[in-house]
Amino acid sequence: NAGVTQTPKFQVLKTGQSMTLQCAQDMNHEYMSWYRQDPGMGLRLIHYSVGAGITDQGEVPNGYNVSRSTTEDFPLRLLSAAPSQTSVYFCASSSPRSRDGSLYFGPGTRLTVT
Amino acid sequence: AQTVTQSQPEMSVQEAETVTLSCTYDTSESDYYLFWYKQPPSRQMILVIRQEAYKQQNATENRFSVNFQKAAKSFSLKISDSQLGDAAMYFCAYRIPFYGGATNKLIFGTGTLLAVQP
Repeated sequence: NAGVTQTPKFQVLKTGQSMTLQCAQDMNHEYMSWYRQDPGMGLRLIHYSVGAGITDQGEVPNGYNVSRSTTEDFPLRLLSAAPSQTSVYFCASSSPRSRDGSLYFGPGTRLTVT
Repeated sequence: AQTVTQSQPEMSVQEAETVTLSCTYDTSESDYYLFWYKQPPSRQMILVIRQEAYKQQNATENRFSVNFQKAAKSFSLKISDSQLGDAAMYFCAYRIPFYGGATNKLIFGTGTLLAVQP
């Protein structure tokens, strides 16, 4: 049981490049989400999904795109990277059968945009 | 809008001593959950403890306990017998329960960096 996995662990991009951060979970969780972590700002929600085919925006969605074609996978796409997107990105999942909605986090991806 | 405030950016504690990390939040909901997450240098987010607002009894998990004051909207974390491995960033977080179409959105504080001195 791998839990939540993210790839890559580290990435350096040039301004204007695009890339996809991968996230997968093997716990059959319907809910998945992406957060970014910046110094002094905690974690902020980018996008989330309540099931395959259903996604919605979080607090800071601009510059990011998501899709959810399967229960297991929830990739995050950076359309045209900007230095402001330098951050640590976390994918998380949870089950609606869990009343408190405890999140299971992946190990994070550190992204640097130059 | 719900907000979570951690007013202590950094804290320090001697090994084996007790330390309390503060967290306040703002909400108009009556039913909700509060969490403390630990983030060690490995970057992995680890759930430390959770508290349901309807439960008056303070949650405890081994050396970790909370002081939940619902009227004051305060949710502090007490770490007893501090160990070197407790050194980490600690985040307080809030969410409403899963019902009525609620999402799985957590609202996080800005974190408290805890150093443990040997």
